[in-house]
Amino acid sequence: SQQGEEDPQALSIQEGENATMNCSYKTSINNLQWYRQNSGRGLVHLILIRSNEREKHSGRLRVTLDTSKKSSSLLITASRAADTASYFCATDESNTGKLIFGQGTTLQVKP
Amino acid sequence: DAGVIQSPRHEVTEMGQEVTLRCKPISGHNSLFWYRQTMMRGLELLIYFNNNVPIDDSGMPEDRFSAKMPNASFSTLKIQPSEPRDSAVYFCASSLAKGVEQFFGPGTRLTVL
Repeated sequence: SQQGEEDPQALSIQEGENATMNCSYKTSINNLQWYRQNSGRGLVHLILIRSNEREKHSGRLRVTLDTSKKSSSLLITASRAADTASYFCATDESNTGKLIFGQGTTLQVKP
Repeated sequence: DAGVIQSPRHEVTEMGQEVTLRCKPISGHNSLFWYRQTMMRGLELLIYFNNNVPIDDSGMPEDRFSAKMPNASFSTLKIQPSEPRDSAVYFCASSLAKGVEQFFGPGTRLTVL
């Protein structure tokens, strides 16, 4: 079953703008991860945030986690055309230890 | 490190034929995952192994699908007989352990005619 649900499904912005994607999930988790997928490629891990963390940064990426609301957000600042890709959240379920991926947000950054 | 290696990259076959997808995980990784991605269903976990042992195969669609991991450096996903609805991109991923960062292969695009 797909636990994570991303919002929006698609996002189109201009280069230089910020992009925010949201993810909601249903069960208890050990951590939440964000991945990126370029068209025709495999997924690439971006960042992992543990259940006891609230915010994490990596370069132009900022991830927040609210376990009370069972939601996370990924912010990409100063977007570039090369950021065009699909972005997936994945939750590490506490009981099973396996990653459950959401449906993804397709981001288009126009130059 | 070459990353996760999958073969073939593309496979076109006819309904009823046997299909075997291959994966070589990153050396030292203890967990291996097989996923299927389609537009309709997104990314689905089919099965995962930990230390070469299948842990959870609840995502395997039906008996036509089987997966093996005879050693730490090789895994196969077999579909026999294949059907047009099996057409998808199949990804293999590996990680140091369950629940941490996964490294994905480039995928095998399967088309069943």
